[in-house]
Amino acid sequence: EVQLVESGGGLIQPGGSLRLSCAASGFTVNGHYMSWVRQAPGKGLEWVSVIYSGGTTYYADSVKGRLTISRDNSKNTLYLLMNSLRAEDTAVYYCVRDFLQWTEYWGQGTLVTVSS
Amino acid sequence: QSALTQPASVSGSPGQSITISCTGSSSDVGGSNSVSWYQQHPGKAPKVMIYEVNNRPSGVSNRFSGSKSGNRASLTIAGLQAEDEADYYCSSYANNSVFVFGTGTRVSVL
Repeated sequence: EVQLVESGGGLIQPGGSLRLSCAASGFTVNGHYMSWVRQAPGKGLEWVSVIYSGGTTYYADSVKGRLTISRDNSKNTLYLLMNSLRAEDTAVYYCVRDFLQWTEYWGQGTLVTVSS
Repeated sequence: QSALTQPASVSGSPGQSITISCTGSSSDVGGSNSVSWYQQHPGKAPKVMIYEVNNRPSGVSNRFSGSKSGNRASLTIAGLQAEDEADYYCSSYANNSVFVFGTGTRVSVL
């Protein structure tokens, strides 16, 4: 059974750093392209980043240079390293397998709150 | 990376059909068949209702259908039911290897 379990969210001060994890089971993360999607409280969905099976990464302009997507194949886990956090990064962060494909699968999300 | 444009809200009576539009450009919706529609109930993760413009995942009611013409994609919900009341988002692949969501539409069942 496919499962994606996000963790690592919490309250962090502006300018701080946080690393989100997405533990996968039922498939291998390096055999699929994996994305992060976020949703600010009361707002719409926003695509954040993708890592393809070959390792190529892409980012939304709003996070480029501050957020870094990566994966650890030995742990079958996807990561999102978040630096220089801003209030506008406050959101629920979802990891998604095969975004926009028929094999797409979403985790349940982890909440990141950036506030002093 | 501009968000795709959706109407803020659409409403209908039970049994009616409604259509939600999703307008982009030739760089995203118009240039890609990777267009999906999501349903989201409050406090829940999004659920894909349509993928690749007009395909339904297993388990999604055939009351939901998708289409595309030029730079505009559409989601039609036939035979509107109370359980269809939710937020709906479109999303598309863009030709610069990124993805973009629509602004979201609140569907109300009167």
